[in-house]
Amino acid sequence: GAGVSQSPSNKVTEKGKDVELRCDPISGHTALYWYRQSLGQGLEFLIYFQGNSAPDKSGLPSDRFSAERTGGSVSTLTIQRTQQEDSAVYLCASSLLGDSEAFFGQGTRLTVV
Amino acid sequence: GQNIDQPTEMTATEGAIVQINCTYQTSGFNGLFWYQQHAGEAPTFLSYNVLDGLEEKGRFSSFLSRSKGYSYLLLKELQMKDSASYLCARSGAGSYQLTFGKGTKLSVIP
Repeated sequence: GAGVSQSPSNKVTEKGKDVELRCDPISGHTALYWYRQSLGQGLEFLIYFQGNSAPDKSGLPSDRFSAERTGGSVSTLTIQRTQQEDSAVYLCASSLLGDSEAFFGQGTRLTVV
Repeated sequence: GQNIDQPTEMTATEGAIVQINCTYQTSGFNGLFWYQQHAGEAPTFLSYNVLDGLEEKGRFSSFLSRSKGYSYLLLKELQMKDSASYLCARSGAGSYQLTFGKGTKLSVIP
């Protein structure tokens, strides 16, 4: 596609439910990042995929969070048993190589009620 | 963490010049990025420095000193549309993981 696509753009879920957020990176980009941004805050690193290497999961805040990237393309971020503190905008970004300009999607605004 | 520090907020006058500083942990450092983020929007790329010195791109310039763990973004001829958050981000050597600072909210006033 022309840019990084994320879906859904907005998600409201009840506390305790599981959610899946999807990211479609730019075709051919080997690196994919997930970040979380709370209102008025900076970008909190969650997870990083680079080619076929093992993902860097060091930013995942708890074992309720997981992510996968199938076929080196689409990525899904899963949050199990959502909590109110999970409410934030979840941003996905991709880059051609690991150390080049990252392009961001428009994000998924998650609200846990 | 990566200890990326930048001022929380700055205010500058339309037409003026403003410098936004960023310091970071030098251990395992590869390169330094600057991104712009308007309220409610996704970040967009401004610049990338991997070597020491100044990179100029139109009204925006970015500087890096690897030995000092220091970078700045220089915005000239400020326009109202430059009001945004400016995010400093470092990439790590080897893994290239991109880690962001908390951002500097710049307000341009008439």
